[in-house]
Amino acid sequence: KQEVTQIPAALSVPEGENLVLNCSFTDSAIYNLQWFRQDPGKGLTSLLLIQSSQREQTSGRLNASLDKSSGRSTLYIAASQPGDSATYLCAVSLNAGNMLTFGGGTRLMVKP
Amino acid sequence: SQTIHQWPATLVQPVGSPLSLECTVEGTSNPNLYWYRQAAGRGLQLLFYSIGIDQISSEVPQNLSASRPQDRQFILSSKKLLLSDSGFYLCAWSVLPGWGARYGYTFGSGTRLTVV
Repeated sequence: KQEVTQIPAALSVPEGENLVLNCSFTDSAIYNLQWFRQDPGKGLTSLLLIQSSQREQTSGRLNASLDKSSGRSTLYIAASQPGDSATYLCAVSLNAGNMLTFGGGTRLMVKP
Repeated sequence: SQTIHQWPATLVQPVGSPLSLECTVEGTSNPNLYWYRQAAGRGLQLLFYSIGIDQISSEVPQNLSASRPQDRQFILSSKKLLLSDSGFYLCAWSVLPGWGARYGYTFGSGTRLTVV
């Protein structure tokens, strides 16, 4: 059974820092990996989607990498801002049924 | 463009009362549809998924049920709510079976359910 782990569970940084969020999964046979952002009491907003054949995806200050063989992905946030404060969730799609398995999330706080 | 609507946004229901949460998708045909629950302090748990009308798969045993009476409508129901049913319920969709994993998931804004 696929298991997804995110480290750290919580992170507090001053504004302007570059930071890395980590995601690991136990079964490397994935279709793709998706990073989401969730603000308190809100739904999930998709940030980046990496296909299993890709190594990384970039959107603005965000860069996500995928090392499928080692079962790892990282989300890099450059020049963090207070508006980046949220919970970041990593999820992988299974081989069958296209269902997502989520990590527990990293709760990020960027202090002004 | 594709949009997903979920309602209500918040709901407070007494124990033993029925439940009906609705989710609709616009701008696509034959989507995969999903219900997830996020309990306080816990991760997202897949409850149901559907690859077509009246085709529902349940991932966890519970007193909830799901139905898909129309292609782009997904309903989460319960005949009698329990306290443990409290949580944040999220509907999601992906495109055609086999293509969903390629194009990712889109989530609704969620329903905060409190059972009292």
